[in-house]
Amino acid sequence: DAGVTQSPTHLIKTRGQQVTLRCSPKSGHDTVSWYQQALGQGPQFIFQYYEEEERQRGNFPDRFSGHQFPNYSSELNVNALLLGDSALYLCASSSTWGAGGNQPQHFGDGTRLSIL
Amino acid sequence: AQKVTQAQTEISVVEKEDVTLDCVYETRDTTYYLFWYKQPPSGELVFLIRRNSFDEQNEISGRYSWNFQKSTSSFNFTITASQVVDSAVYFCALSGDGGTSYGKLTFGQGTILTVHP
Repeated sequence: DAGVTQSPTHLIKTRGQQVTLRCSPKSGHDTVSWYQQALGQGPQFIFQYYEEEERQRGNFPDRFSGHQFPNYSSELNVNALLLGDSALYLCASSSTWGAGGNQPQHFGDGTRLSIL
Repeated sequence: AQKVTQAQTEISVVEKEDVTLDCVYETRDTTYYLFWYKQPPSGELVFLIRRNSFDEQNEISGRYSWNFQKSTSSFNFTITASQVVDSAVYFCALSGDGGTSYGKLTFGQGTILTVHP
């Protein structure tokens, strides 16, 4: 049973560039969330997708956007990259957003994004 | 707004010692959920436990136990007879059941636990 998979594992970009990160949820899960984890900090919620729609959004600028596909996989796009965007980006999946906020979220290994 | 505070930044113990990780939370939701996650050096967050706000029973799973006290807004995590493999960063997290807190996790800053042989 495959868990949450993310790609790529590592990525190096320069300021001003754009990046796309990808996530495949755990089998049986239909809800995908994205988190940003700066070094030494706890993860910060970016947004959550269910039925191909953004359902919740954290305090992140519009430079951060996402998409969910019919097969439940998801992408996180970040435009006009800043040095402060350097972080570990974690994808999490859970079963049925509509079932309630108590669903445990299962995380992938993350994508380490470095901005030069 | 929801908030989770883990006052202990780092804890260092010797193997076989018991260790307690503290977690205090703030929320305006009537119904909410508390979680603990473990993050080993590989980076993946591993789900350990979920607790509902209306269930204050303590829980034990092997060497792990959790003490939920609604009166003090605390959800502490104890590892009994710690082992080197327990070394990791531990996060306490909170989600609500309505409005802007629905389905999204608010994490604490994490506690780095180091268990020495």
